[in-house]
This record gives sequence, C-alpha cells and structure tokens, in this order.
Amino acid sequence: ETGVTQTPRHLVMGMTNKKSLKCEQHLGHNAMYWYKQSAKKPLELMFVYSLEERVENNSVPSRFSPECPNSSHLFLHLHTLQPEDSALYLCASSQERSMLSYEQYFGPGTRLTVT
Amino acid sequence: AQKITQTQPGMFVQEKEAVTLDCTYDTSDPSYGLFWYKQPSSGEMIFLIYQGSYDQQNATEGRYSLNFQKARKSANLVISASQLGDSAMYFCAMREGSGGGADGLTFGKGTHLIIQP
Repeated sequence: ETGVTQTPRHLVMGMTNKKSLKCEQHLGHNAMYWYKQSAKKPLELMFVYSLEERVENNSVPSRFSPECPNSSHLFLHLHTLQPEDSALYLCASSQERSMLSYEQYFGPGTRLTVT
Repeated sequence: AQKITQTQPGMFVQEKEAVTLDCTYDTSDPSYGLFWYKQPSSGEMIFLIYQGSYDQQNATEGRYSLNFQKARKSANLVISASQLGDSAMYFCAMREGSGGGADGLTFGKGTHLIIQP
C-alpha cells in the first residue's frame, strides 16, 4: 500500500448506528487531517492531529469523535448521525503541520450516507 | 466572508487549448501559501502546484502554472495544452502562516472543468 488509504470507501448507516472510518498513511508524515466535503460546499476542515495529539477541532458536533492511536492511523468514530452528515469524508496527511509549503496528501475518501 | 473565491462553477474547453481557472483569496496574514488541487470523479484530491506569499516567481509544474498577482490577491491556475484527462473539479486552497492553530487548508468551492474533444 502506498499513499493514504481509507476504509470503507462507501458506508450507509442509520441514525442510531455506530460506525468508524479508518485512515492510514504510508508516507511517514507527522500530521493528519479529517475533512468533510458536502455537495455544493467547500471542503471543511474537521480535525487536525500532529504527532498523535489533536491540535484543532473546528466546532465539530460531538457525534463525530476522532482518534489517532499513532502517527500512521486516524479514525473517525460516528454515532447518532443526522441525514445532513451525509458527505464525502476525506483524510489527509502532511509532513509537518507548521510548514506552509508542505502539501497535504489525500486519501480517496469515504462516501457516507445516513438514512 | 469567504477566504477563497472561485467564480467559475463550470468551464468547457476544447482539447489542446489553454485554460485559466480563477482564484482570489482574502487574508491579512503576510505569510501564506496557496495550493491547487484536482479532484477527478474518483474522489481523491491530487496536489498540483504551490505558491508561497514570499515567492518572487510564479510557480510552474509541467503543464501547470500559477499566475500569482499578490496585490490583487489573485492566484489563477493555468493549464497549457489541455487534455481529456484534465476533466475534473479543481480547487484553490490557502494555508495561513501565523496564529498557530489554523494548519488545515481553506478551500474554495471549486471549478468543474470539462475538456471537450
């Protein structure tokens, strides 16, 4: 595996379910990110982790709970979601979060549908 | 107020022509970086090109170049000799350099580029 991988690629869940999204980066990066991409809206930054510590939480509802057990893995735990949470969830990583020039490498995303 | 504005929701361009995708940004931070990403229908965001606010020259990467006009706060992407495979969504994004917390990227709404044969 190379780059940034995400599983599952597609997920359909009911509002009462609990599920988790997984992200893994094989690039040796120090920072990882979760973004939400809804239809007709810009990508929204949700969470930032640097060296396994959460450094940013952009007012995301508590029904989204991130976890970063090590610098290569990032999870997004989901519970009691709403239909408006249906979106493409993108994970990204970068070499060093504080360097302006370091681009973020994105995974293919998880297409989430909440019914 | 939007920090990144992309005014072209969609564009149709003939194959082999050059295309310019517009991006304007808003920041009071003197230190910032501007990025362009391509998102094909598969969903993955692909990094194309980067321009730093202190860079003296416009960035270039193969067929991609960035027309950086700092005073106008403009960072347009130019794709030369367009190809059918260039059809995708294109996003302009910014990272600001001071203040600590905001290390993620701020994205525009994107431009859907369709290359026609």
